[in-house]
Amino acid sequence: DIVMTQTPLSSPVTLGQPASISCRSSQSLVHSDGNTYLSWLQQRPGQPPRLLIYKISNRFSGVPDRFSGSGAGTDFTLKISRVEAEDVGVYYCMQATQFPQTFGQGTKVEIK
Amino acid sequence: QVQLVQSGAEVKKPGSSVKVSCKASGGTFSSYAISWVRQAPGQGLEWMGGIIPIFGTANYAQKFQGRVTITTDESTSTAYMELSSLRSEDTAVYYCARDIYPYYYDSSGYDNWFDPWGQGTLVTVSS
Repeated sequence: DIVMTQTPLSSPVTLGQPASISCRSSQSLVHSDGNTYLSWLQQRPGQPPRLLIYKISNRFSGVPDRFSGSGAGTDFTLKISRVEAEDVGVYYCMQATQFPQTFGQGTKVEIK
Repeated sequence: QVQLVQSGAEVKKPGSSVKVSCKASGGTFSSYAISWVRQAPGQGLEWMGGIIPIFGTANYAQKFQGRVTITTDESTSTAYMELSSLRSEDTAVYYCARDIYPYYYDSSGYDNWFDPWGQGTLVTVSS
């Protein structure tokens, strides 16, 4: 299985400041069809996960534009340009290039 | 707006089985893959398997092969996940989640971009 490694595991951030989460895969996530099946999910406390970003950098419907995704191959990044109180939660990267789908261990974003 | 509503919390004995339901409303059910993902207490997310209702054939993670069965009932727009031979390590919140694109958007039938998610069902395995 592809191992997804996120750093940091915890990210205390001041309101209004940026945050960045890294996700590294144990193998390239470029599929034979040319697509890269990498997504980012947000899980607020006590809530189910929610899709933020898919296919590396596509924001899902309703996701604020302060969230952005980038990367290629094995290295990916989720950035929050200005953290708001509602962004508190755990963020997961997920790969679906190779079966079975696997998730990173999660990065907790909290307010300083 | 599609919503997925799951069945309520369960308490089960080791060795028994549990069947969790996931009812879709507000959209087309049959054409979108449904996956099941679990989350042990304080832990991360683990994909268990998925199914495309219109085809009815499920795919399972090897870890759960032989113990999990995912099915759908198109007449009620409901997906089910049954896990057998339960052990304490199966204590977790179980989520269903739908692909954002219908099966014909991807050659595999699955896009694996998961939204929406059900609210989760806590399954506790305890003697």
